[in-house]
Amino acid sequence: QTVVTQEPSLTVSPGGTVTLTCASNTGAVTSGFHPNWIQQKPGQAPRSLIYSSTYKHSWTPARFSGSLLGGKAALTLSGVQPEDEAHYYCLLYVGGARWVFGGGTHLTVL
Amino acid sequence: QAQLVQSGPEVKRPGASVKVSCKASGYAIETFGFTWVRQAPGQGLEWMGWIGATNGFIEIAQHLQGRVTLTSDPSTSTAYMELRSLRSDDTAVYYCARSPGGPPSGGDIWGPGTMVTVSS
Repeated sequence: QTVVTQEPSLTVSPGGTVTLTCASNTGAVTSGFHPNWIQQKPGQAPRSLIYSSTYKHSWTPARFSGSLLGGKAALTLSGVQPEDEAHYYCLLYVGGARWVFGGGTHLTVL
Repeated sequence: QAQLVQSGPEVKRPGASVKVSCKASGYAIETFGFTWVRQAPGQGLEWMGWIGATNGFIEIAQHLQGRVTLTSDPSTSTAYMELRSLRSDDTAVYYCARSPGGPPSGGDIWGPGTMVTVSS
């Protein structure tokens, strides 16, 4: 049973940079987990931002970037905007057609 | 453009069943499937399962096996998620998302969600 762990909450100042991470209890998160990053704002449906560690969708703002960092998946926001305040979920591929979500990080822009 | 439209809110009694639909448009469904995700009030996202739009392949999260049935009707580009033996902790918003199943994406286009309330 894969358990995915994220920081419960982070705070960043407008214009600043913040990195969210995603770890697996099975060991290092590698490219084989194809980490996805999902954004969800209050009262809205989730929106995918990043897939396969680093790839952006056409709608993903340039200030969002994904990477693998020290055995974890990472989502970095550079030049944070007030509208980036949201929950961010990591989603890891675990085989077949199965995926597992992390518990999510609540990002506050203050 | 690609979009998913889901059925409306449901209120069910404990022990009943609910069936939520997800209709796709704006893309060729043959190359994708449908991921189902739920979110209990104030909680995080929970991956429930995936069904291929046309190949019949299905994966369901272990803890939901036996209570969840996923189906797909290619003729109407619609997927269905049925959850049986409802309990109060099944109260959640249920989302569908477009996904190829395996990598690289667990879901790129998402539906608006369907609120299911289980209450006596």
